[in-house]
Amino acid sequence: EVQLVQSGAEVKKPGEPLKISCKGSGYSFTNFWIGWVRQMPGKGLEWMGIIYPGDSDTSYSPSFQGQVTISADKSITTAYLQWSSLKASDSAMYYCARLKGPTTGSGMDVWGQGTTVTVSS
Amino acid sequence: DIQMTQSPSSLSASVGDRVTITCQASQDISNRLNWYQQKPGKAPKLLIYDASNLETRVTSRFSGSGSGTDFTFTINSLQPEDIATYYCQKYDSFGPGTKVEIK
Repeated sequence: EVQLVQSGAEVKKPGEPLKISCKGSGYSFTNFWIGWVRQMPGKGLEWMGIIYPGDSDTSYSPSFQGQVTISADKSITTAYLQWSSLKASDSAMYYCARLKGPTTGSGMDVWGQGTTVTVSS
Repeated sequence: DIQMTQSPSSLSASVGDRVTITCQASQDISNRLNWYQQKPGKAPKLLIYDASNLETRVTSRFSGSGSGTDFTFTINSLQPEDIATYYCQKYDSFGPGTKVEIK
């Protein structure tokens, strides 16, 4: 079964660093783009960026460029989303998803279960 | 930067109705447009990719059409299980979503 399993919920304080993960299984992890999507409470979906685990090629939304870092470790078929210094406004649900095709415009056909990040003093 | 608009933002329809949602891009995006369904508390689900292709194991009551700048998503014969928010997506952005409710 093709699946993406994300790390568990996080509760952090402003200014703290954080790295959440997304482990792929059941398919060739290095051959499919992985994307990250933010959903703030009660709001819509926001495309954050994507990574191609085969060569770690990445692309970020201008809204998130410089705010987060997307990475991947193909040896353990895991993608990551990290912050160096969290803000309260980073509180949200974060999803990882696999792009079904070879192009960056491909639909996201497999989704992780989501990771809730809460940032509060 | 290509902007995506989606309408309506919400709609209420009766079971069995045909429902149409539109998505418009500010520039030509060819057929690079996808549609998703999201139910409360759940991850989004891909329904239509590349404007008109039905994703595997998705009901054929859903369909998509369009190319260039104007796209349409249709639910034929709305069912209670279709209550959700629907999003269009181009490469690097999602539309604002359409919340579908039963009248």
